[in-house]
Amino acid sequence: AQRVTQPEKLLSVFKGAPVELKCNYSYSGSPELFWYVQYSRQRLQLLLRHISRESIKGFTADLNKGETSFHLKKPFAQEEDSAMYYCALNSRRGSTLGRLYFGRGTQLTVWP
Amino acid sequence: DAGITQSPRHKVTETGTPVTLRCHQTENHRYMYWYRQDPGHGLRLIHYSYGVKDTDKGEVSDGYSVSRSKTEDFLLTLESATSSQTSVYFCAISELGTSGRIADEQFFGPGTRLTVL
Repeated sequence: AQRVTQPEKLLSVFKGAPVELKCNYSYSGSPELFWYVQYSRQRLQLLLRHISRESIKGFTADLNKGETSFHLKKPFAQEEDSAMYYCALNSRRGSTLGRLYFGRGTQLTVWP
Repeated sequence: DAGITQSPRHKVTETGTPVTLRCHQTENHRYMYWYRQDPGHGLRLIHYSYGVKDTDKGEVSDGYSVSRSKTEDFLLTLESATSSQTSVYFCAISELGTSGRIADEQFFGPGTRLTVL
């Protein structure tokens, strides 16, 4: 069964410090993984997808199939990064085609 | 923002009353989803639709029903609201990508905050 685990509900760092939001997944196949972000009073939006290997707002995430992880990293956190971050897995098999499975989310707070 | 609206944006109701939430999109996307967002649980899929009159259950569908009679509207109904259904409800949409595969990005509505007393 598909499962996404974000072990940290809350994460606090100071401005300029590195930040890593952890995500582990369980999926018997080739996973497609994403990070979504929800800033205060805004809609949930896609931050980045593993397949495009891009860096958005200084964030990167590498898919590690051996460790079944997709951790989100940023070398120098900014106050505007404070938000709720969700890791998500796209299931493309059978009747679950096109469904996203979300982790429970990590609330990141960046202190000045 | 993608053309997705939800109504109402806030609602307070009493236990046992029926409630219908509406999601409206102007993007002509085929796929639509209803999620609920609760602290400690993240987003959980309630129901989804892969076309007009085509719907399927998500992981927390008990106590909810949906209908999609036209592409642009996806209705979520709580037949008899309970306090456990107090939550923030999000609608999302997606469409086929240019390759013909289902696009991975979902676009979300602004949410509806429902309180069941």
